[in-house]
Amino acid sequence: SQQGEEDPQALSIQEGENATMNCSYKTSINNLQWYRQNSGRGLVHLILIRSNEREKHSGRLRVTLDTSKKSSSLLITASRAADTASYFCATSFVQGAQKLVFGQGTRLTINP
Amino acid sequence: DAGVIQSPRHEVTEMGQEVTLRCKPISGHDYLFWYRQTMMRGLELLIYFNNNVPIDDSGMPEDRFSAKMPNASFSTLKIQPSEPRDSAVYFCASSLGGESAFFGQGTRLTVV
Repeated sequence: SQQGEEDPQALSIQEGENATMNCSYKTSINNLQWYRQNSGRGLVHLILIRSNEREKHSGRLRVTLDTSKKSSSLLITASRAADTASYFCATSFVQGAQKLVFGQGTRLTINP
Repeated sequence: DAGVIQSPRHEVTEMGQEVTLRCKPISGHDYLFWYRQTMMRGLELLIYFNNNVPIDDSGMPEDRFSAKMPNASFSTLKIQPSEPRDSAVYFCASSLGGESAFFGQGTRLTVV
């Protein structure tokens, strides 16, 4: 499978703390993306990092990419109760065209 | 743009019946993805299209599943005949150039 795998599967922290989620994948990619899903809703795109980039920031989000280890991490700083959701990494690679495959996700709970 | 529009939002059907799920992608997007989400299997890519052409349908579970994209603004996913194990949330997503994907709200299918 060329699917990304997130670690941990579930994470529970206190509001204000930082949350780190990891993603590993198996093949060469064009880019790696992170998405968020609130319960019962569709996924929302958070950030995209290209294969030639090592780090990217967006607000309280920081994403790193290590292509030699085929891994990425998502850091959410100063977490808020509203950050409670599932977070997915998705790898985009060329197989005919740009295939987008998701991992199993990390369930993040922020305790007030 | 109203985003990716899926219909219906909920569908309850009896085993053996035909089910058709519909999707209207964001105007101008050239990629369309169909995903299925369950607790057991996570978010599975069923099929995706590029410029209305099916590129990879290897994720379609059985011949009971079929998908079409007759034009750039409409796609269908059909299950015939439906079975209880097809119960899941089905998502449609579209993107431009295979980058950030925008998801619909999903169709929750229950086959009884």
